[in-house]
Amino acid sequence: QSVLTQPPSVSGAPGQRVTISCTGSSSNIGAGYDVHWYQQLPGTAPKVLIYGNSNRPSGVPDRFSGSKSGTSASLAITGLQAEDEADYYCQSYDNSLSGPYVFGTGTKVTVL
Amino acid sequence: QVTLRESGPALVKPTQTLTLTCTFSGFSLSTSGMCVSWIRQPPGKALEWLALIDWDDDKYYSTSLKTRLTISKDTSKNQVVLTMTNMDPVDTATYYCARMMGPHNWFDPWGQGTLVTVSS
Repeated sequence: QSVLTQPPSVSGAPGQRVTISCTGSSSNIGAGYDVHWYQQLPGTAPKVLIYGNSNRPSGVPDRFSGSKSGTSASLAITGLQAEDEADYYCQSYDNSLSGPYVFGTGTKVTVL
Repeated sequence: QVTLRESGPALVKPTQTLTLTCTFSGFSLSTSGMCVSWIRQPPGKALEWLALIDWDDDKYYSTSLKTRLTISKDTSKNQVVLTMTNMDPVDTATYYCARMMGPHNWFDPWGQGTLVTVSS
């Protein structure tokens, strides 16, 4: 049902760098629409982590960064910490019948 | 401080109609650009966008669910209501409401969510 594809899981040791991909199509990311990222800690509501492809809201550590290219986007976490263990979702706008607002399939980040 | 809170029944029977209310504070839905959306998440699954209503009372629905959804607002009460007809066990999920400032943007903040179970 999700039109944005993410890897189901990624993992890394504390201090390492991990990246999460978000693959879309010509009707969403490839059409130039912004990508936003959310972090969902266990048992809580999602919280915006990155907006407008690469912008961090105040309070979000600069360990988190976002980028976008073509029909895909990426979220990078550098200096991985135990508190980063959570689910992460990308979101964008889609101008096809799949939209207008679409989420990614979600990625579980595990800190080893 | 902007807050949103969902309320509604925790349990509904199959074929019944679900009515959820999002009560918010810290902003006005009559302000140009303001929108409130509903998003759901089945247990252990991904987020699914459902519906959005904007300051101008324009309404947008998920294509796959639009025949079952109705979104409305009461600006004076700072509330947005979502109704979903013909509920089925597959509709069991946590339902969230969230604010969006301007179209094509991001959802922030979110309410805490309310778990709705569909079972006879």
